[in-house]
Amino acid sequence: EVQLVESGGSLVQPGGSLKLSCVASGFTFSNYWMDWVRQTPGKSLEWIGEINTDGSKTNYAPSIKDRFTISRDNAKSTLYLQMSNVKSDDTAIYYCTRKGYWGQGVMVTVSS
Amino acid sequence: DIVMTQGALPNPVPSGESASITCQSSKSLLHSNGKTYLNWYLQRPGQSPQLLIYWMSTRASGVSDRFSGSGSGTDFTLKISSVEAEDVGVYYCQQFLEYPRTFGAGTKLELK
Repeated sequence: EVQLVESGGSLVQPGGSLKLSCVASGFTFSNYWMDWVRQTPGKSLEWIGEINTDGSKTNYAPSIKDRFTISRDNAKSTLYLQMSNVKSDDTAIYYCTRKGYWGQGVMVTVSS
Repeated sequence: DIVMTQGALPNPVPSGESASITCQSSKSLLHSNGKTYLNWYLQRPGQSPQLLIYWMSTRASGVSDRFSGSGSGTDFTLKISSVEAEDVGVYYCQQFLEYPRTFGAGTKLELK
């Protein structure tokens, strides 16, 4: 069974940093591109970015480019989202996704 | 960015009736390879989104055949035949032809 389990969400101050993790199981992690998607409270979904199978290529949404970095460790079957210089607009549930599968999401709150 | 615009449903929908959800893209999602780069998701209350349809009309694994996707390059429809209680939630369309991937604002389905 495919499982994606995010962790690392918390309350962070504006301008601060946070690193989210997503542990994958039930499939060969290194064979799949992985994405991060977020959902702001009461609003729609926003694609953040993706990473290719060996971590050599990433694509990002303009809204977070140069502030967020996606990486992966295939040996640990883990996807990461490094968030820096966070803003109140970054408050959202963050989902780790693979084609057809989503994690349960993790909440990030940006507030002073 | 490609803008995805979703229509509303005349809620609530009587149980057993059919429902059609529309989605329009600001640019054709039909690729030269003949595939249309459109996904449909359902987010049930309190849950993560789940993939229903990909390539505009292909049902994801385990998805009921009551769900069907159709459309052209820019106008799409998700049809749910014989709506059931488990179909309640918010439906999203998403394009994955170009970066950034973009979602529609969502269409809420309520059951009568």
